[in-house]
Amino acid sequence: GQQVMQIPQYQHVQEGEDFTTYCNSSTTLSNIQWYKQRPGGHPVFLIQLVKSGEVKKQKRLTFQFGEAKKNSSLHITATQTTDVGTYFCAGNFGNEKLTFGTGTRLTIIP
Amino acid sequence: EADIYQTPRYLVIGTGKKITLECSQTMGHDKMYWYQQDPGMELHLIHYSYGVNSTEKGDLSSESTVSRIRTEHFPLTLESARPSHTSQYLCASSGGNQRTDTQYFGPGTRLTVL
Repeated sequence: GQQVMQIPQYQHVQEGEDFTTYCNSSTTLSNIQWYKQRPGGHPVFLIQLVKSGEVKKQKRLTFQFGEAKKNSSLHITATQTTDVGTYFCAGNFGNEKLTFGTGTRLTIIP
Repeated sequence: EADIYQTPRYLVIGTGKKITLECSQTMGHDKMYWYQQDPGMELHLIHYSYGVNSTEKGDLSSESTVSRIRTEHFPLTLESARPSHTSQYLCASSGGNQRTDTQYFGPGTRLTVL
């Protein structure tokens, strides 16, 4: 079946360090979305990438979509305690459903 | 913040009981979804609907059923709850004209079956 793999599963960083999570699909994606879920909360939409090689920034967050539209990454510069949570990518394979990645749980050491 | 509501937020129930998890949205979205998520794990799509009287099973097999009689309402029913149904259930909706729209999630129902 169509799957979206995400690594790493867990990431512990010192406050102020950078953080990156990666998503990979075996087949080409139409687009990819990123969501953040705070502990005990629900997923909240961050961004959608559609074009091959697209790069988008939101303050300290940088999102990239690979040239082949099979992979994506989220990079956070200088993490803060408010960045704690699980980050999910969600890929679309050409239908109207999303396939969520396994998520990367980020914890911050103050 | 999106206007999508789920009730109850927490439910503890005995094996064999019939339960209905409620989900409502006030955004007029055509598409609605149910996901199952174990703590700290990925989301699994169990049901979705693209409009009134339209329901489809998702990628994860589920013993639950859904209905979509009104645009704003997408309840999920378990006829006979079992401990294996213990999980968090998240409802989401999306709308607009894009092929893949942003999904807005409700707060979730945390179900425990004893």
